[in-house]
Amino acid sequence: DAMVIQNPRYQVTQFGKPVTLSCSQTLNHNVMYWYQQKSSQAPKLLFHYYDKDFNNEADTPDNFQSRRPNTSFCFLDIRSPGLGDAAMYLCATSRDQGGGPVDTQYFGPGTRLTVL
Amino acid sequence: GQNIDQPTEMTATEGAIVQINCTYQTSGFNGLFWYQQHAGEAPTFLSYNVLDGLEEKGRFSSFLSRSKGYSYLLLKELQMKDSASYLCAVMDSNYQLIWGAGTKLIIKP
Repeated sequence: DAMVIQNPRYQVTQFGKPVTLSCSQTLNHNVMYWYQQKSSQAPKLLFHYYDKDFNNEADTPDNFQSRRPNTSFCFLDIRSPGLGDAAMYLCATSRDQGGGPVDTQYFGPGTRLTVL
Repeated sequence: GQNIDQPTEMTATEGAIVQINCTYQTSGFNGLFWYQQHAGEAPTFLSYNVLDGLEEKGRFSSFLSRSKGYSYLLLKELQMKDSASYLCAVMDSNYQLIWGAGTKLIIKP
């Protein structure tokens, strides 16, 4: 089945120790997104890629970076995790971004990050 | 600013009907999405509305009124598995999704 896969599902790291989260998709979608979601809050968009074009949200901290080496894979790097970065990190994809149902975003299962 | 409002929490009884409302104020409008999110899991797509009116999909229906900046998600014949958060999201003129914080729906037997 076509899907969005995230690894690992659970990640524990220490304060200040870099961590990388990965996302892959078999949907062949052009657009990939990284969201941060804290308990009982709306998902917060960190970045998105339209093909290889990188779009950083204005309020995404410099501590967060991303790479998309090819259509299928996308990585989220947290350079120096703080306690406030503990959250669920969601990867999503959509076929396009031009309006209409093609913009429907499909989510991976998420990676829950714990910072000790 | 851009804003999506939905109730924080609702309670309903198994077998009943519940309506979850969403009001929005955004810069432009390119469609409204409803997602279901079970605790600790990712959101899953439920519906998309871009024209006024009601879209029905099995036990779930979604309604949109663009002039009022209003949508609702209607869930019929509630089942225990419908206990989840329901997120309303609007695509603005820049094709960015503006998310609500979600409505936690509690189903009681």
